[in-house]
Amino acid sequence: EGQLLESGGGSVQPGGSLRLSCVASGFTFSSYAMSWVRQAPGKGLEWVSGISGLGGSTYFAGSVKGRFTISRDNSKKTLYLQMNSLRAEDTAVYYCAKVRREGYNYDAFDIWGQGTMVTVSS
Amino acid sequence: QSVLTQTPSASGTPGQRVTISCSGSSSNIGSNTVKWYQQLSGTAPKLLIYNNNQRPSGVPDRFSGSKSGASASLAISGLQSEDEADYYCAAWDDSLNGWVFGGGTKLTVL
Repeated sequence: EGQLLESGGGSVQPGGSLRLSCVASGFTFSSYAMSWVRQAPGKGLEWVSGISGLGGSTYFAGSVKGRFTISRDNSKKTLYLQMNSLRAEDTAVYYCAKVRREGYNYDAFDIWGQGTMVTVSS
Repeated sequence: QSVLTQTPSASGTPGQRVTISCSGSSSNIGSNTVKWYQQLSGTAPKLLIYNNNQRPSGVPDRFSGSKSGASASLAISGLQSEDEADYYCAAWDDSLNGWVFGGGTKLTVL
């Protein structure tokens, strides 16, 4: 049973930047696509970005395209989300999530981290 | 406004059967499989159903999923107090080239 542990959340002013990290354990990290999913306070889930196992393919929600970058370091079993030009509406708990099937970019998220809170406010 | 549409709330008494619906379009549910996630209060989401009707190991068979056209539903039979949670449907959207979620259904066990 794998585990994911996010870090890097915090408070930042509008227009600022933040980098989130997600460390994986208990599974062969490089074999699985990963995603970031966020949840604004009191709101539903919103997919943010995804990346293939080897990092060659990346996907972004329209709301973050051009501002956020997703990457991974398979040697460190770590997923990243670089968030630039942050806005108040980016305030949310950010979860990293693992795709269920090895080698598939589009599949259910079977393991989720506990989340890290990002607050964008002046 | 979520791409997938869910009824905001549902309720039932212990032992009852409850159904939660999820409506999409041809670019998401109509052409891809549906997933369902359960989120207990203050916790991370948990995968409940994948590939429209498949349960991961450990998920009770009280939970079942189905899909027809561009709509899907999650049924919970033998409702228990621990089923009180938010439930989200999700599917890949070919037009948006990304995942879309429903707005969530808050299930209350009376």
